[in-house]
Amino acid sequence: AQTVTQSQPEMSVQEAETVTLSCTYDTSESDYYLFWYKQPPSRQMILVIRQEAYKQQNATENRFSVNFQKAAKSFSLKISDSQLGDAAMYFCAYRSLMEYGNKLVFGAGTILRVKS
Amino acid sequence: GAVVSQHPSRVICKSGTSVKIECRSLDFQATTMFWYRQFPKQSLMLMATSNEGSKATYEQGVEKDKFLINHASLTLSTLTVTSAHPEDSSFYICSAARTDTQYFGPGTRLTVL
Repeated sequence: AQTVTQSQPEMSVQEAETVTLSCTYDTSESDYYLFWYKQPPSRQMILVIRQEAYKQQNATENRFSVNFQKAAKSFSLKISDSQLGDAAMYFCAYRSLMEYGNKLVFGAGTILRVKS
Repeated sequence: GAVVSQHPSRVICKSGTSVKIECRSLDFQATTMFWYRQFPKQSLMLMATSNEGSKATYEQGVEKDKFLINHASLTLSTLTVTSAHPEDSSFYICSAARTDTQYFGPGTRLTVL
């Protein structure tokens, strides 16, 4: 079974600076999807970014980018020019392409605090 | 696009009663929806996968008779917590799958007195 590990329970960043959240995963599959979701205090889960494993190019969405290292099974999220609204819990998630049903395997989450 | 709604957002009920939570995909059709439970500052725990027109698939340890799931249409799934007890108090979140991505509802906070 696949597992997702987020080793940083909490992180802090100064407003306007850059922060990187780490995520590693364990799988024997070659094709899969990886996601970062954000859960602000409202508790609404919001998709931040998505990466297909067959794509070598790292996904980017405005201030959010990933560093996808397939061989190392690492999928870190970089937030540039951090804003107060980025404060949230961030979850890394894995989705198998082999297993039917579109299920996600989540990491434990990282709480990001943004200091003004 | 890809908006998922959940109703109600909060519900308080007495022990022994049943509560129904609705999950709707507003701008897309979802063959598959998911129900999660989340405790404070913890990750999401998948309870069951709901497939339109067929029986839900429950995760190990989830009581099928307590958490009834119905996926009657391509835009609606419901979770009914039957004979609720205080230990069922939690935050319940649904999601709907559009192609390869899950989109989440805003969640329902259930409090059982």
